[in-house]
Amino acid sequence: DQQVKQNSPSLSVQEGRISILNCDYTNSMFDYFLWYKKYPAEGPTFLISISSIKDKNEDGRFTVFLNKSAKHLSLHIVPSQPGDSAVYFCAASVWSNTGKLIFGQGTTLQVKP
Amino acid sequence: EAQVTQNPRYLITVTGKKLTVTCSQNMNHEYMSWYRQDPGLGLRQIYYSMNVEVTDKGDVPEGYKVSRKEKRNFPLILESPSPNQTSLYFCASSFGTGFYEQYFGPGTRLTVT
Repeated sequence: DQQVKQNSPSLSVQEGRISILNCDYTNSMFDYFLWYKKYPAEGPTFLISISSIKDKNEDGRFTVFLNKSAKHLSLHIVPSQPGDSAVYFCAASVWSNTGKLIFGQGTTLQVKP
Repeated sequence: EAQVTQNPRYLITVTGKKLTVTCSQNMNHEYMSWYRQDPGLGLRQIYYSMNVEVTDKGDVPEGYKVSRKEKRNFPLILESPSPNQTSLYFCASSFGTGFYEQYFGPGTRLTVT
């Protein structure tokens, strides 16, 4: 049972345009959501997070939106740059839980020059 | 330099031959975790540890063991590896759970023949 789903395995956008990566979840107990970026042959690196008490969090070119009623979050990258080409994972956790972190399947973003 | 190190980075072994993948962090993090990455499945949590001598199962613990005798080290043990454990493994650490970002190691590519 996949509690966190990224239904788009890949996404291709032109440099300078907006990239929108989507993530859906099923467990209403999740109260923290995080996005990680992964380059080939490297470990994932943290990108941005959002608490369930917020609906938006922004950090430079990266913005995460959370729609709790739809159990949906999205990561917006504006403007997209070729260096953003990577695999993006969303992840969710329950603060009161003992430490489980549930990841989605990942979306491969390609930003074309 | 703050980092999570894993060894070995690459390993080819045969079914049934016990192996250990080491993980060490120099950030004094209390929380450590192991993940495996497989195509189409994203990152799945194997085991995690909230502190020394405190470990718990993630989503896919079968066939794995862990120990946390020191704060900085969190080895992953495969007592009798099988081909379905062929995967890319990541160790991660953080100050805590929930919104705390996890720092990932570079990964260990394991092949079991």
